[in-house]
Amino acid sequence: QVFLQESGPRLVKPSETLSLTCSVSGGSISNYYLSWIRQPAGKGLEWIGYVSNTGNTNYNPSLKGRVAMSVDTSNNQISLRLSSVTAADTAVYYCARVAGLGELSWRFDWWGQGILVTVSA
Amino acid sequence: SYDLTQPPSVSVSPGQTASITCSGDNLGDKYTSWYQQKPGQSPVLVIFQDNDRPSGIPERFSGSNSGNTATLTIGGTQPMDEAEYFCQAWDSNTFVFGGGTKLTVL
Repeated sequence: QVFLQESGPRLVKPSETLSLTCSVSGGSISNYYLSWIRQPAGKGLEWIGYVSNTGNTNYNPSLKGRVAMSVDTSNNQISLRLSSVTAADTAVYYCARVAGLGELSWRFDWWGQGILVTVSA
Repeated sequence: SYDLTQPPSVSVSPGQTASITCSGDNLGDKYTSWYQQKPGQSPVLVIFQDNDRPSGIPERFSGSNSGNTATLTIGGTQPMDEAEYFCQAWDSNTFVFGGGTKLTVL
């Protein structure tokens, strides 16, 4: 069983950068891709992007230019940075493991518990 | 961008069959996954590749996908199945989620 744990500041000021870390246990992240997904209160899920085990990234076009992800295989962690945040970025942020052979079959089989990040002065 | 459309809510009586739809252009040409999310909890994968169940998901959960519509079916719905359900597909190098359907069991 894979266990994912998000961590980071829960309060970020407008225009600053949101930074989160996802720590993975129960398996080496060298074997799979990991994604960040967010969910504003009472709303649906929004995919933010993924980072591969080799550091390749792919981001949601709606957030491109503000988002950066990286992988630290030695510590079994990935990180998320989202710049120039506004109140619209207030959400629960999840990290999740990407499963499936081939992109068309990709899905998220393990999720972290999520972390609520609030953007407010 | 690719859109997946779900009804905002579906109601079902206990023991009956619930069907939740997810619509998108030629969705049948893609694989659809479904997630269950209960209040205050993280989403849980219940169906992948249209109709496969992860280990530990009850057999009453099934799926289908054809044309422009994917359907999550819950046979013999139980009160514990009351939750929000999200569909998900992969299109043009991005993950896409439906807006979610609140399933009420009453």
